[in-house]
Amino acid sequence: GENVEQHPSTLSVQEGDSAVIKCTYSDSASNYFPWYKQELGKRPQLIIDIRSNVGEKKDQRIAVTLNKTAKHFSLHITETQPEDSAVYFCAANDNAGKSTFGDGTTLTVKP
Amino acid sequence: DTEVTQTPKHLVMGMTNKKSLKCEQHMGHRAMYWYKQKAKKPPELMFVYSYEKLSINESVPSRFSPECPNSSLLNLHLHALQPEDSALYLCASSQAGTRYGYTFGSGTRLTVV
Repeated sequence: GENVEQHPSTLSVQEGDSAVIKCTYSDSASNYFPWYKQELGKRPQLIIDIRSNVGEKKDQRIAVTLNKTAKHFSLHITETQPEDSAVYFCAANDNAGKSTFGDGTTLTVKP
Repeated sequence: DTEVTQTPKHLVMGMTNKKSLKCEQHMGHRAMYWYKQKAKKPPELMFVYSYEKLSINESVPSRFSPECPNSSLLNLHLHALQPEDSALYLCASSQAGTRYGYTFGSGTRLTVV
C-alpha cells in the first residue's frame, strides 16, 4: 500500500517568514495530493490540492509543487501569520480513491 | 450546504454499551468515509462507502459496524468497545472518484470507560 512520509514534524517561524513542508510518497499510481490544515480541537480542512498532471498550483499565500519523478510534493506558505499556526497533513490518493496521510507537521508562527 | 454534520459531539460509553455515531451531508457527495484519529496522530482510515456500498474496510474489528442508509447518511454502530478505542471519530465525504479532497465533519470525541 501507499506510504507517505512528511517532514519536518515541527516547524517554528517568525511572522512574515515563509514555511515549507515536504512529503514523499511510495506508490507511483497515486494521482491526487491534498493538504489539510487542522487547528487544535477542530476538523481537518482542505486548503489546497494538486493533481498528478500538474507541477505547481498557487492560491494566494499558499502553493504546492509536485515532482512525480522523485515522488515528492511540498507545501509553501509565504508571509506567515499567527493564524497559520496549526497541524498540516499531506495526503496521497491511490487509484482506489483512498487517502493515506502523512504524520503531520505542527507549524508555529511566532508574532 | 457545504458541511458534514456529526452527532453526538461527545460520547462516553461503557464496554458493554451499544451506541451509534451519525453523519450527514447534503452536498451530493457519493463517497463517505469513517476515520479514527488519536491525539497528535493523523486520521486513520476505517471504512469507505461509494454510492452507498462499502468499498473499503481497513480490517477494522467487528465491534465497529458501519451503515449507509442513503446517499446523505452514514452511521457507525459501536458495541463492546475497549478503552483503546477512545479517540476522535471523523466522518468525511467527497465526490466519488480518485481525485477529490474530503470535507470532514467536526468529529465525535469518544471515551470508552
